[in-house]
Amino acid sequence: DIQLTQSPSFLSASVGDRVIITCRASQGVSSYLAWYQQKPGKAPHLLIYAASTLQSGVPSRFSGSGSGTEFTLTISSLQPEDSATYYCQQLNSYPYSFGQGTKLEIK
Amino acid sequence: QITLKESGPTLVKPTQTLTLTCTFSGFSLATSEVGVGWIRQPPGKALEWLALIYWTDDKRYSPSLKSRLTITKDTSKNQVVLTMTNMDPVDTATYFCAHVTPVTYFDYWGQGTLVTVSS
Repeated sequence: DIQLTQSPSFLSASVGDRVIITCRASQGVSSYLAWYQQKPGKAPHLLIYAASTLQSGVPSRFSGSGSGTEFTLTISSLQPEDSATYYCQQLNSYPYSFGQGTKLEIK
Repeated sequence: QITLKESGPTLVKPTQTLTLTCTFSGFSLATSEVGVGWIRQPPGKALEWLALIYWTDDKRYSPSLKSRLTITKDTSKNQVVLTMTNMDPVDTATYFCAHVTPVTYFDYWGQGTLVTVSS
């Protein structure tokens, strides 16, 4: 099974900051990686698929990069509504594992 | 417009079998390249992928839960059913279903249903 490790697990940042979340895979997953945003009590929301493709309707301040074993999710200018937990997921091989999550707090 | 909704019991007793139904609209499981997946999330914890069924009836399961899970589809009713046997309190979680494609991944999710396992 492929393990995904996100860092940091918790992040506190101010409005306007550039925020980077990292996801490392225990084995190469090519570009089969997605990023989701989840707010309390809600279902996850797809932000990025295929490592760097922005899902329709997602603000352009979100971007993804990477391939193989190291990936990043970048928020270019943090907004108050970005307070949430973010998860990466690999879809290279079964089981389709998720990272442990990164909780992002707005200062 | 794609929508999905999970339904099933909110409370099950230990050792019982859980049956959850995902009812969807806006797509068909008879369409090529389409699947429906199940994911769960214990309170305050991370997401865990459980199972996936494709338009071909190909089925995939989490290895750690494979012996307890069964996923089936009813294309005519636009439903996917997940059964989990021998429920335990550690299976207490919110269970989500999601629309899946090989291009856009898990792009639409249901609202989730909280299942509590307790005697």
